[in-house]
Parts: sequence; C-alpha cells; structure tokens
Amino acid sequence: KAGVTQTPRYLIKTRGQQVTLSCSPISGHRSVSWYQQTPGQGLQFLFEYFSETQRNKGNFPGRFSGRQFSNSRSEMNVSTLELGDSALYLCASNFLQTAGGQETQYFGPGTRLLVL
Amino acid sequence: AQSVAQPEDQVNVAEGNPLTVKCTYSVSGNPYLFWYVQYPNRGLQFLLKYITGDNLVKGSYGFEAEFNKSQTSFHLKKPSALVSDSALYFCAVSLGRLYFGRGTQLTVWP
Repeated sequence: KAGVTQTPRYLIKTRGQQVTLSCSPISGHRSVSWYQQTPGQGLQFLFEYFSETQRNKGNFPGRFSGRQFSNSRSEMNVSTLELGDSALYLCASNFLQTAGGQETQYFGPGTRLLVL
Repeated sequence: AQSVAQPEDQVNVAEGNPLTVKCTYSVSGNPYLFWYVQYPNRGLQFLLKYITGDNLVKGSYGFEAEFNKSQTSFHLKKPSALVSDSALYFCAVSLGRLYFGRGTQLTVWP
C-alpha cells in the first residue's frame, strides 16, 4: 500500500497570506489527524477527522481549520499567517475501526511551511 | 491531565553498546503507549506500541520497549546501537489522540 502523501512538501508564504495543505491517507484509512511540529513547542495536535467529521480538536486559534472529503483526503487551512506559524505540519493516517480505538497512526513526510 | 515526559534531550552512545531512551507518562486509566522515530527532514516512523499484555514489546529495527506500570515508564531499548539509529525519538500516549513527549535526540558514535 502507498503511504501517507502530503503536498506540497515545502512552502514559503508571507505574513497575512493564507495557505492550504493537503493530505492523502493510506488507502482504506478513514481517519486523518494533523499535528504541528516546532522546535519550541514540539508536536502539537491540531485536529482529527473521521468520515468527513471533525472528531477532536486541539488548542489552536480559529485561523487553523480543516476538512475531510468523501475519499478521506484531508486539507488544512491557515488564514492570516503569522511568523509563528512556521513549522512542519504532519498528517497522520489511522484505520480507526471503532471510536476510541487504539490503532496505530502512520505519518506522512510533512509539509514544511516558512512564513516570512 | 495526560502527559508524557522524556527526561533526556540528548542521549549519546557508542556503536555496539546498548541504548536506552527514557519515557514516563501520566494518564488516567490504561495507557496506550507508542514510540516513533524521526530522521532529518522526514515524518514520524512508527517503531512499536504497547496496548496490553506482555510488558516487553518488540518493534522495528531491533528496538524493544519495556512497560512498567508501577514506575509509569515505557523506556525504549536496543541491545546493540548502530550509527544509523541516530535520530529523534518520540514517546507518545494515545487517548483518542496522540500526546507526545518533547523528543530525545539519539546520537550513536562510530
């Protein structure tokens, strides 16, 4: 099976702009989670989608949003970019048979966003 | 509140020596624990997980981890380190979502 795909891999934006990142999970996986990784804050959970519904949300401002499509592909959007949004954004794919199941999350290579 | 601690920012070990990367956790209920590894400019790769059962879990690339409920620890181990094991290691606990430790940079010297 192909792994988790994230596009683009690298992105440079300026403050105030918005950005959309894409994630295609492993075939058959219906749950997608997003994480932000920075040197200062480490790995922080953004949100999780399962069958096109947001199931869980981390502690990020409303500028961070996401959605999931019927084919399980997911996008996350960051509006009004700030310098502090520079980070590696990781998408994780999870089969998730049942709510609260402890299946393994498999991560994509990430999108590295630089905000100037 | 759920939390995961990796008390060492860096671990240095000579090739061929055993290695240990430490992790302690604080969760309510039964923990589901994971180890991931991250190589430079890459995403996270799954190494192993503990859900229930045997306290010694074997994973990828010769790694294993020991779950200790009384000490609330889940240390990652490998009997003989390789230079190629040099990477950033993350411990995580799953409670509907993953809570990660801050990561431990492992350097294996030739």
